Amino acid sequence: SQQGEEDPQALSIQEGENATMNCSYKTSINNLQWYRQNSGRGLVHLILIRSNEREKHSGRLRVTLDTSKKSSSLLITASRAADTASYFCATERYTGFQKLVFGTGTRLLVSP
Amino acid sequence: NAGVTQTPKFQVLKTGQSMTLQCAQDMNHEYMSWYRQDPGMGLRLIHYSVGAGITDQGEVPNGYNVSRSTTEDFPLRLLSAAPSQTSVYFCATSAQGSGYTFGSGTRLTVV
Repeated sequence: SQQGEEDPQALSIQEGENATMNCSYKTSINNLQWYRQNSGRGLVHLILIRSNEREKHSGRLRVTLDTSKKSSSLLITASRAADTASYFCATERYTGFQKLVFGTGTRLLVSP
Repeated sequence: NAGVTQTPKFQVLKTGQSMTLQCAQDMNHEYMSWYRQDPGMGLRLIHYSVGAGITDQGEVPNGYNVSRSTTEDFPLRLLSAAPSQTSVYFCATSAQGSGYTFGSGTRLTVV
């Protein structure tokens, strides 16, 4: 079963606007990661936030993590058409061995 | 430095045929894993390995076998292909506590 669920499933915005995607998960984690997937391509790692961190930035990306609510958000500021992709959150737990479990993703469309 | 290389990129199989999806990494990571991606389901973990000679099952292991004889290679074998195994398969590698590097995928169709 999927660990995480993203919300919304699809998001359509204009260039220059901000895009916010949310992720909820079910169990305790060691870290949470966000990935981008362009249509027909492999996944690209965007950012990793550890369970003891609350916020992390990378360029136009801002990720928050609330372990009490088992939720995370990804904010993309000043979106560009090139940001059009699917975005996945994934949680990692070290239960003996590490395992990365993905959510179902958010499809983002940024129109010029 | 190629990262993670998957072959083939596309494959069509007939029901009952067997095949091996290849995955090779040049990042010297101990951890490697296989995922399948189906529409609307995200990625689901099939098998993973924490080093040569050590493998374990993921979420959806039935119908697949793996082995890990070297750090670099982690092949995925379909024993007797079924239409339900039509999917896109991704191999990934990582160092613990770091992001994963994914291959470009193998698109498999079973007819």
